[in-house]
Amino acid sequence: DAGVIQSPRHEVTEMGQEVTLRCKPISGHNSLFWYRQTMMRGLELLIYFNNNVPIDDSGMPEDRFSAKMPNASFSTLKIQPSEPRDSAVYFCASNRNFLRHPSEQYFGPGTRLTVT
Amino acid sequence: AQTVTQSQPEMSVQEAETVTLSCTYDTSESDYYLFWYKQPPSRQMILVIRQEAYKQQNATENRFSVNFQKAAKSFSLKISDSQLGDAAMYFCACTNYGGSQGNLIFGKGTKLSVKP
Repeated sequence: DAGVIQSPRHEVTEMGQEVTLRCKPISGHNSLFWYRQTMMRGLELLIYFNNNVPIDDSGMPEDRFSAKMPNASFSTLKIQPSEPRDSAVYFCASNRNFLRHPSEQYFGPGTRLTVT
Repeated sequence: AQTVTQSQPEMSVQEAETVTLSCTYDTSESDYYLFWYKQPPSRQMILVIRQEAYKQQNATENRFSVNFQKAAKSFSLKISDSQLGDAAMYFCACTNYGGSQGNLIFGKGTKLSVKP
């Protein structure tokens, strides 16, 4: 298996621009998670889906952030408009079925976002 | 709310020696899982070891073992025969089991250096 796939690996954009991060979970995994990692705040869960349905989005910092999972093999995290404080590494992770089997999550390589 | 605390921002160990990384957590749940993840400079999050709270026996994975003290809410990681490749950030994490409130909470991390 290819593991969790994220694209792009690096993104540099200007303040005010829209940014879309993409994730393909491991085939057969029903749960998908978006995390943000910064030096100041560490790893934070932004949102997670189970069977394509958002279960908990309480970590989404504000309305500029939105996430979708249109099907079992694809998810996006969008920031519109982006701000310099959004600069971070964004991780996507998946696992078999978090609500029934909260075993380990498999992480993608992350997207390093820089907003200038 | 769950919290995870790693009180050692940085640790250092001599190659082939043993080092213990500390982690304490707080949860009101009776069923939960605990994890240690490793993040090398490549940024990839790698699961090192996991522990189910209902199991009294401490988990072990080759050179990695945990000391799980449920009453004290302590979950330390011991690395034996340290290798240069063990140098990384180590994150302790906790998640509860089932329901719609499951999420993974990470500590701030401990940076481990291994001296040759």
